[in-house]
Amino acid sequence: GQNIDQPTEMTATEGAIVQINCTYQTSGFNGLFWYQQHAGEAPTFLSYNVLDGLEEKGRFSSFLSRSKGYSYLLLKELQMKDSASYLCAVTDSNYQLIWGAGTKLIIKP
Amino acid sequence: ETGVTQTPRHLVMGMTNKKSLKCEQHLGHNAMYWYKQSAKKPLELMFVYNFKEQTENNSVPSRFSPECPNSSHLFLHLHTLQPEDSALYLCASSQEWSGRPETQYFGPGTRLLVL
Repeated sequence: GQNIDQPTEMTATEGAIVQINCTYQTSGFNGLFWYQQHAGEAPTFLSYNVLDGLEEKGRFSSFLSRSKGYSYLLLKELQMKDSASYLCAVTDSNYQLIWGAGTKLIIKP
Repeated sequence: ETGVTQTPRHLVMGMTNKKSLKCEQHLGHNAMYWYKQSAKKPLELMFVYNFKEQTENNSVPSRFSPECPNSSHLFLHLHTLQPEDSALYLCASSQEWSGRPETQYFGPGTRLLVL
């Protein structure tokens, strides 16, 4: 079967750094997405990785290792507005999006 | 602003009611999607429309009936739902449903409660 694993919930402190992990087992791989979803709002696109390595975009970075079936989202200089759920999704060999259940990130002052 | 709007934002209905959810995208996209999001569970893809044609129906019960009159509008008609159908229903759009990974743009969802 196809599976995406993410921690259910994480807590971090304002100004700190947090890393949200995502591991996947899918039939094929055609890229990995990260989305952010604030409570009661639409998921919004953060990043897309298809090659190994780190992609940096401001305070957010996303890393991919295809050989390990592993990705992480790194958030630096955390702000209260970063409190949200972070969704990992993998595109399989049929270009179907397989979604994780999301990681709820709580930021404390 | 996401460019994808959904109405209503909240809906409470009885099991014998009939209601419809509406989605509209202003992004010029050709593919539209319905997802179900339940607490602490992955997004479940329900239906995909590409250029107004239904291309995916992921074993969704017939009490959910989609309609796509044009590339900008998508409806989900609800009839005789069950309490376990209570969830957040998300609409999304992308450039098209193709053999390439596409970034999807989501609406804010309709929070549905079935009593």
